[in-house]
Amino acid sequence: GESVGLHLPTLSVQEGDNSIINCAYSNSASDYFIWYKQESGKGPQFIIDIRSNMDKRQGQRVTVLLNKTVKHLSLQIAATQPGDSAVYFCAETLSGYSTLTFGKGTMLLVSP
Amino acid sequence: GAVVSQHPSWVICKSGTSVKIECRSLDFQATTMFWYRQFPKQSLMLMATSNEGSKATYEQGVEKDKFLINHASLTLSTLTVTSAHPEDSSFYICSASQALAKNIQYFGAGTRLSVL
Repeated sequence: GESVGLHLPTLSVQEGDNSIINCAYSNSASDYFIWYKQESGKGPQFIIDIRSNMDKRQGQRVTVLLNKTVKHLSLQIAATQPGDSAVYFCAETLSGYSTLTFGKGTMLLVSP
Repeated sequence: GAVVSQHPSWVICKSGTSVKIECRSLDFQATTMFWYRQFPKQSLMLMATSNEGSKATYEQGVEKDKFLINHASLTLSTLTVTSAHPEDSSFYICSASQALAKNIQYFGAGTRLSVL
């Protein structure tokens, strides 16, 4: 499946701030979630993932939070840098199932 | 590891011609490959899923005779846009996954197609 949005939400932050990007996913049965970063003119890059048996997972400067009750996912980026400027997509799927459903995406703009 | 190479990165063609885009997994065997289309400021739209040696499964609304997909080996899939028209201009992205980690897709860098 696919998720298409006509308007890309934008989050503008200052360098050094913490950023929080939100995503509402669609399928309550989804049990695996991934955040991707897409820079202009490039393909998506894997950032971090989380399974539904967890509600928080931390990586380097990034944290993903999962709230299954309200079908909500968030990506927190600590000490945001200009190089973090990109479009961020969440994706959901079922374990053992290969197709991803992408969210609409959020553009993160980091100013120096 | 897990690198997916997509070629070409940019192509301009005349209306009515066909264009082939290649997607290769460089360091792993891609049992499944995916082709997406992306319009400006929009999300990725899945066009089709292909398993090695099988016919591709197309999403609803995607013309299989227009977008020919071949996945002849575990490291190569191709998308051919046949008789391209200006409305086919878009950013096309491939991804690949492995049998033991089906959920994780590794993406190519995308191909910008401009049809004149």
